[in-house]
Amino acid sequence: AQSVTQPDIHITVSEGASLELRCNYSYGATPYLFWYVQSPGQGLQLLLKYFSGDTLVQGIKGFEAEFKRSQSSFNLRKPSVHWSDAAEYFCAVGPHGSGNTGKLIFGQGTTLQVKP
Amino acid sequence: DAGVTQSPTHLIKTRGQQVTLRCSPKSGHDTVSWYQQALGQGPQFIFQYYEEEERQRGNFPDRFSGHQFPNYSSELNVNALLLGDSALYLCASSQGTGHLTDTQYFGPGTRLTVL
Repeated sequence: AQSVTQPDIHITVSEGASLELRCNYSYGATPYLFWYVQSPGQGLQLLLKYFSGDTLVQGIKGFEAEFKRSQSSFNLRKPSVHWSDAAEYFCAVGPHGSGNTGKLIFGQGTTLQVKP
Repeated sequence: DAGVTQSPTHLIKTRGQQVTLRCSPKSGHDTVSWYQQALGQGPQFIFQYYEEEERQRGNFPDRFSGHQFPNYSSELNVNALLLGDSALYLCASSQGTGHLTDTQYFGPGTRLTVL
């Protein structure tokens, strides 16, 4: 069965420190991969996505993610965290290929807290 | 340009009742997907509507039904509410065929509480 695992439920980092949020997926083939951020009272906002090609993808707000097929991972990184990055982060996957309608499978989420 | 809007913001119902949630997609978008997000969990796909038809459905019972109108807005209906239906219901819209290559834009959600 398709699944997404975000091993870290809660992460706390100091402002200015680097950040890495982990995401592992279980899928029969290379899926489409996404990272979303959710702030309180807000909908989900797409940070970045990977469909094919270069395995290092750049997103908004200074985030990047690297697809590693051998590890079935798609970890999110940011070199220097800002207080405004405190939010809930979700990794999601979807089926690759024809018929790949909008059914996204989300991980449980990682709550990021930023210390001043 | 208005983004995805949902109404109402919050809703309280009792077990056994029925509820209707509404979603207006982002301007120019013709595809609407619905997700259920239980507290502390990631969103779960309920179904997607494109050209007024249910295109794909997740693992949800028939108590969950939907509709898409000619103006692309959509409703989610839940019958015979259970306590476990308490969640944040998210609507996402996209432009195109509804494939995952089309960026989905999410609304702020409707918080449903079932007592």
